[in-house]
Amino acid sequence: KQEVTQIPAALSVPEGENLVLNCSFTDSAIYNLQWFRQDPGKGLTSLLLIQSSQREQTSGRLNASLDKSSGRSTLYIAASQPGDSATYLCAVVAQGGSEKLVFGKGTKLTVNP
Amino acid sequence: SAVISQKPSRDICQRGTSLTIQCQVDSQVTMMFWYRQQPGQSLTLIATANQGSEATYESGFVIDKFPISRPNLTFSTLTVSNMSPEDSSIYLCSVEEQAWGYGYTFGSGTRLTVV
Repeated sequence: KQEVTQIPAALSVPEGENLVLNCSFTDSAIYNLQWFRQDPGKGLTSLLLIQSSQREQTSGRLNASLDKSSGRSTLYIAASQPGDSATYLCAVVAQGGSEKLVFGKGTKLTVNP
Repeated sequence: SAVISQKPSRDICQRGTSLTIQCQVDSQVTMMFWYRQQPGQSLTLIATANQGSEATYESGFVIDKFPISRPNLTFSTLTVSNMSPEDSSIYLCSVEEQAWGYGYTFGSGTRLTVV
């Protein structure tokens, strides 16, 4: 059974700092991995999608890497801003077409002005 | 990516009543998914809804409690029936987009409080 773990559970940083969020998964047979952002009481906004054949994806100040063999992904946020404060969720889709997203519990990020 | 309109965005309901949540997608999609997020928890899949067939429910979720409709390729509803305070959660719909490498897009969520 696939399990996704995110470390740390919470992170507080000063504005302008670069930071890394970690995600690990127990079964390396994944189809893809997706990072989401969730603001309090709201839905999910997709940030980056990495296919199993890819090593990384970039969007603006965000960079996500994937090491499928070791079961790890990182989300790098450069020059953090207070508007980046949110919960960041990592989710994987199992290879073989189960089409189910398996989520981690998220990392709650607070960027202080 | 697809745009999903979900409503209501939030509601406060009396126990014993039912609430129907709607999701409208701006493009045709084969599969729609319904999730629940209990306070302080991550997302749990309730069911998968294909157009023209019965929804497939995950372990712990039953059709009598969470009936789902999927009348066409752009619309679905989830009803939370006979509500109790334990049903207080955020409910989200989602679609899988084949054209986007099977990435997932989510609606804005419905924040339900049962009193």
